Amino acid sequence: AQKITQTQPGMFVQEKEAVTLDCTYDTSDPSYGLFWYKQPSSGEMIFLIYQGSYDQQNATEGRYSLNFQKARKSANLVISASQLGDSAMYFCAMRGPRGTYKYIFGTGTRLKVLA
Amino acid sequence: GAVVSQHPSWVICKSGTSVKIECRSLDFQATTMFWYRQFPKQSLMLMATSNEGSKATYEQGVEKDKFLINHASLTLSTLTVTSAHPEDSSFYICSARDLAGVFTDTQYFGPGTRLTVL
Repeated sequence: AQKITQTQPGMFVQEKEAVTLDCTYDTSDPSYGLFWYKQPSSGEMIFLIYQGSYDQQNATEGRYSLNFQKARKSANLVISASQLGDSAMYFCAMRGPRGTYKYIFGTGTRLKVLA
Repeated sequence: GAVVSQHPSWVICKSGTSVKIECRSLDFQATTMFWYRQFPKQSLMLMATSNEGSKATYEQGVEKDKFLINHASLTLSTLTVTSAHPEDSSFYICSARDLAGVFTDTQYFGPGTRLTVL
């Protein structure tokens, strides 16, 4: 069965520092997609970054990068130069069974950026 | 691009009434939309997959007669909570796949609807 694990319920980071949010996954499907979303206190889910299982390079989007280690089945999110506005809940997700396009979500990590 | 709206953003209703929540893809067509429910400080729980022009596919344990889903067009899906009770109070979020987008697996989420049943 497919599974996403986020082991950090909460994290603190100093403003302007970098932070890594952990995500490990389990799947027997050779083709899969991994996603990170940010959910601020307002509740909206904001798409941050995507990594495909066959992508050769780690995905990057501005200050967000995904440290994809396929052999270890990890897809950690790295936020560089943290800003106060980065304080939010972060969810890692994986596309579910092929053909369904459903997501399997992790339990989330709450990030607090300190001034 | 890839903007999804939800209406209303919040609603308070009396027990026993029905509430309809709309989910619209504003700048793309979405043959598949998803409805989630989120309890405080918890992750999202998928309720159902909404397919344009066909019946929704409900997840195990979700009452289809309680949570009616209609996907009448490529840009609109609705969730109706019938005979709502206080235990239905929750944050409901929809999402949609952008088939023409760069990442066709990516779901774009609406801002959510907070339902409170008195």
